Amino acid sequence: TQLLEQSPQFLSIQEGENLTVYCNSSSVFSSLQWYRQEPGEGPVLLVTVVTGGEVKKLKRLTFQFGDARKDSSLHITAAQPGDTGLYLCAGAVASGSARQLTFGSGTQLTVLP
Amino acid sequence: DAGITQSPRHKVTETGTPVTLRCHQTENHRYMYWYRQDPGHGLRLIHYSYGVKDTDKGEVSDGYSVSRSKTEDFLLTLESATSSQTSVYFCAISLTLNTEAFFGQGTRLTVV
Repeated sequence: TQLLEQSPQFLSIQEGENLTVYCNSSSVFSSLQWYRQEPGEGPVLLVTVVTGGEVKKLKRLTFQFGDARKDSSLHITAAQPGDTGLYLCAGAVASGSARQLTFGSGTQLTVLP
Repeated sequence: DAGITQSPRHKVTETGTPVTLRCHQTENHRYMYWYRQDPGHGLRLIHYSYGVKDTDKGEVSDGYSVSRSKTEDFLLTLESATSSQTSVYFCAISLTLNTEAFFGQGTRLTVV
């Protein structure tokens, strides 16, 4: 089983601040995904990165995949209360005849108004 | 939203009883997954399916079995529920390798 470590585990910031969440592993992934989960709901995909060094932007969110495809970061600019949620990274490994996603334990973000 | 329905959404059951959770999809996705989510552990794969009658174990499969008799339905059974199986269970689907997973809304199971 590939291990994905996310940091920080908890983050509480004021509206308007910037933040970065990290996802690290010793394993190489064929792709890495970021999800956001709100209370009482399932995770919802934000982005998938597949190329080492790739940077993707989604409005105020910037996602980067490490050159070696072992780590990733999520940067949020000018955070808003609507960004509050559990952010999960998940690494995909093409394994045998089926795909498996390994999830990190998540970063719980709270943005205070 | 992807058409994934989990039932029931909430269940309380007694230790030692069998429990079956259902996942129904309307997307005709090939792959279906059962995860459990616990504080500090993130999402952990229990079992997955890559086609009708084709299933395999995930990292935390002990005490669980699954069945997929139709493309749209994936059942998770706890043969004899234990308190350690108290958790939130999520079903997910994906179309092919290297595509995103769509999740259901979860089932909160409490074993007393």
